[in-house]
Amino acid sequence: GQSLEQPSEVTAVEGAIVQINCTYQTSGFYGLSWYQQHDGGAPTFLSYNALDGLEETGRFSSFLSRSDSYGYLLLQELQMKDSASYFCAVRADSWGKLQFGAGTQVVVTP
Amino acid sequence: ETGVTQSPTHLIKTRGQQVTLRCSSQSGHNTVSWYQQALGQGPQFIFQYYREEENGRGNFPPRFSGLQFPNYSSELNVNALELDDSALYLCASSAVQENEKLFFGSGTQLSVL
Repeated sequence: GQSLEQPSEVTAVEGAIVQINCTYQTSGFYGLSWYQQHDGGAPTFLSYNALDGLEETGRFSSFLSRSDSYGYLLLQELQMKDSASYFCAVRADSWGKLQFGAGTQVVVTP
Repeated sequence: ETGVTQSPTHLIKTRGQQVTLRCSSQSGHNTVSWYQQALGQGPQFIFQYYREEENGRGNFPPRFSGLQFPNYSSELNVNALELDDSALYLCASSAVQENEKLFFGSGTQLSVL
């Protein structure tokens, strides 16, 4: 079957580091994306990995291992505004069709 | 750059009715896709349009249909509404040369009673 697995919730304090893991099993794979969604808001693109390795964008980094069907999103120097849901999504074809995981709710406490 | 806009923001319908949701793509984007997001879940791919042609469809029945217009705006139509159709419907646009990066609208919250 096709599936993406990620933890349902992570809680951390301001200034901490959080890692959200994602394992996937899909029929097609072109890359792994990460999106952030605040309550009532639109999903917002964070990062995309097509090749193995680490991509860094400011406080956020994303990693992919294609051989392990595994990736993670690393949130550093957590801020209160980072409280949101984070989704991993597999780009399933060349046209950009995405298969999303169920999301990880990140709660940042003072 | 103008963002992706969707209308209406909220809608209430009853079982068996039909609904049309609308989306204006981000300027310069020629690909639009629609997703359904149930409460507490990730978005589920419905279908995608490029140059007014459907070029991908998810596991949704034929009563879910769509259109893309020459100005790249788009519609999602759902016939014979069922209670399980209650969800947030998201439109996303992308440029074909950078289609790994989707720009989502804030969605239409559909409630079917």
